[in-house]
Amino acid sequence: AQKITQTQPGMFVQEKEAVTLDCTYDTSDQSYGLFWYKQPSSGEMIFLIYQGSYDEQNATEGRYSLNFQKARKSANLVISASQLGDSAMYFCAMREARDYNTDKLIFGTGTRLQVFP
Amino acid sequence: GAVVSQHPSRVICKSGTSVKIECRSLDFQATTMFWYRQFPKKSLMLMATSNEGSKATYEQGVEKDKFLINHASLTLSTLTVTSAHPEDSSFYICSASDRLNQPQHFGDGTRLSIL
Repeated sequence: AQKITQTQPGMFVQEKEAVTLDCTYDTSDQSYGLFWYKQPSSGEMIFLIYQGSYDEQNATEGRYSLNFQKARKSANLVISASQLGDSAMYFCAMREARDYNTDKLIFGTGTRLQVFP
Repeated sequence: GAVVSQHPSRVICKSGTSVKIECRSLDFQATTMFWYRQFPKKSLMLMATSNEGSKATYEQGVEKDKFLINHASLTLSTLTVTSAHPEDSSFYICSASDRLNQPQHFGDGTRLSIL
């Protein structure tokens, strides 16, 4: 079974609009961490935002926010006021408690976001 | 912030060549580093966990004799693709975190093309 599922292979959004990238996860651990990374065409992986399973507040970092719904096991990324530079691949990732000593991450298949003027 | 440097960024070489890729943590010590492989338009696939001073832990299906990992110091891990063939062509990327349970920092990746 997929541990991290990103059902949107591609998304389009107009500049200055908000967009939501979906991510659902599967784990039996009570303690886990969820991450979003951005990968531009140049290839580097850029960390965007983190949500811990015990965090009561949804994480926010500038224009990025994470809509964390624990009961639904979803951790959707919301990008507000999209910019042309936001065009990239976006990966959702999870670290389970069993991997806390190793820091091992499991990645989803990614969503390609394209922002148009 | 924490920086991970990966070198080289691109390699093109003949079949049968061995290729070494370096991953360095520039401003922190990393007891653990990770090596990923990414096919075009696909996700990152963890190949192995590189442990300083001990043997790497390989994921299922990854040939340890094909992909040699050495983590001789707290700031350097190397991945050597031995006797590379065209099917080894891919994007290889490393990562490390400066503290446990913190976001991993990634190198810029290496595009390997075997002719």
